[in-house]
Amino acid sequence: GQQLNQSPQSMFIQEGEDVSMNCTSSSIFNTWLWYKQDPGEGPVLLIALYKAGELTSNGRLTAQFGITRKDSFLNISASIPSDVGIYFCAGQPPETSGSRLTFGEGTQLTVNP
Amino acid sequence: DSGVTQTPKHLITATGQRVTLRCSPRSGDLSVYWYQQSLDQGLQFLIQYYNGEERAKGNILERFSAQQFPDLHSELNLSSLELGDSALYFCASSVVPGAGEQYFGPGTRLTVT
Repeated sequence: GQQLNQSPQSMFIQEGEDVSMNCTSSSIFNTWLWYKQDPGEGPVLLIALYKAGELTSNGRLTAQFGITRKDSFLNISASIPSDVGIYFCAGQPPETSGSRLTFGEGTQLTVNP
Repeated sequence: DSGVTQTPKHLITATGQRVTLRCSPRSGDLSVYWYQQSLDQGLQFLIQYYNGEERAKGNILERFSAQQFPDLHSELNLSSLELGDSALYFCASSVVPGAGEQYFGPGTRLTVT
């Protein structure tokens, strides 16, 4: 089945630094989503992308839908301690029925104050 | 708060037993999805329902079943439980299938002893 390769697996940064993470796939997706998950909680939707080339921002977060439809990246600017958590990319394949999400393995972000 | 509710929050049971996990989607959402999150498999899609009908199936074991009721709440039934079934089980909802954005509940942590 489809797989998403998410990198890096983990990041350790200082407060105030910018962060970048990305996801790549061997097949195309119609939708890319980025989620953040805190320990023991459900994933929280950060950004949704629907068109190839689309660039969308949500506060300090910016994400892009790759032109090939096989990749996406997420940038976080001026990181703060509450950005700590696991970030997941998720893709929705071009199926005619249903809309399952395929998730990346996650990027564990640690922000040192 | 995503608006998706799940009960119970935690469940501890023995091997061979059967449990039922419950999910109420966001108000107005017609489609419900179930995902399993384990340490070694990450977030995996199990099954999707739309307006009471099964819409898509993922890597769901035959020991697992689900349904969506007329009031749109959904239940995931896990039977003949094994140690390897210990995981976080998430429910997500969207307005309609293919809507893209899926909103996740807080999850049920199942521990099989």
